[in-house]
Amino acid sequence: EFVLTQSPGTLSLSPGERATLSCRASQRVSSNYLAWYRQKPGQAPRLLIYGASSRAADIPDRFSGSGSGTDFTLTISRLEPEDFAVYYCQQYLTSPYTFGQGTKLEIK
Amino acid sequence: EVQLVESGGGLVQPGGSLRLSCAASGFSLSTYNMNWVRQAPGKGLEWVSYITSSGYPIYYADSVKGRFTISRDNAKNSLYLQMNSLRVEDTAVYYCARGLPYCGGDCYDSWGQGTLVTVSS
Repeated sequence: EFVLTQSPGTLSLSPGERATLSCRASQRVSSNYLAWYRQKPGQAPRLLIYGASSRAADIPDRFSGSGSGTDFTLTISRLEPEDFAVYYCQQYLTSPYTFGQGTKLEIK
Repeated sequence: EVQLVESGGGLVQPGGSLRLSCAASGFSLSTYNMNWVRQAPGKGLEWVSYITSSGYPIYYADSVKGRFTISRDNAKNSLYLQMNSLRVEDTAVYYCARGLPYCGGDCYDSWGQGTLVTVSS
């Protein structure tokens, strides 16, 4: 079973700053079958990135995904107030489709 | 507008059963792979089960295999999760989630608001 480890656990930044979130897989995620989600408090998750680097519908271009193999990154170029939330990566190469434990992005 | 609405959650004793439903609107469920994902209170996301648009194949997380059954009724535009032999550790918000075709149906582009299942004596 794939294990996804996200770092850092908590990231404290200010609006307008750049955020870099990491997701490391225990095995190679071939074909970049990796997605990122944002979950605001009390809400369902929302798909941001799939295929490691493709933005989902209606996702602004301040969100970008990169990486391959076992190391992946979500970058938010300029933080908006609504971006302070929890972020999850997910591999969908092989069942079970595991999620990382999440990175909480909080206002500094 | 694409919408998924879960129902059927509630309080149940250990060993009991519940059936969750997910009603889809704004799109035809029959053309999408569908999933259930859960989130225990204050915890992260856990994928639970997957069913293709045709109804086969079906996959389950090891933690629910043999106890949960996913099904769909495309005519009713609905997805279901029959949960038997419930355990305290099954307590969670259960989300139904639509599979994005670009991901082979295995990443989720639309989610319901979730329904809370509490297993407690």
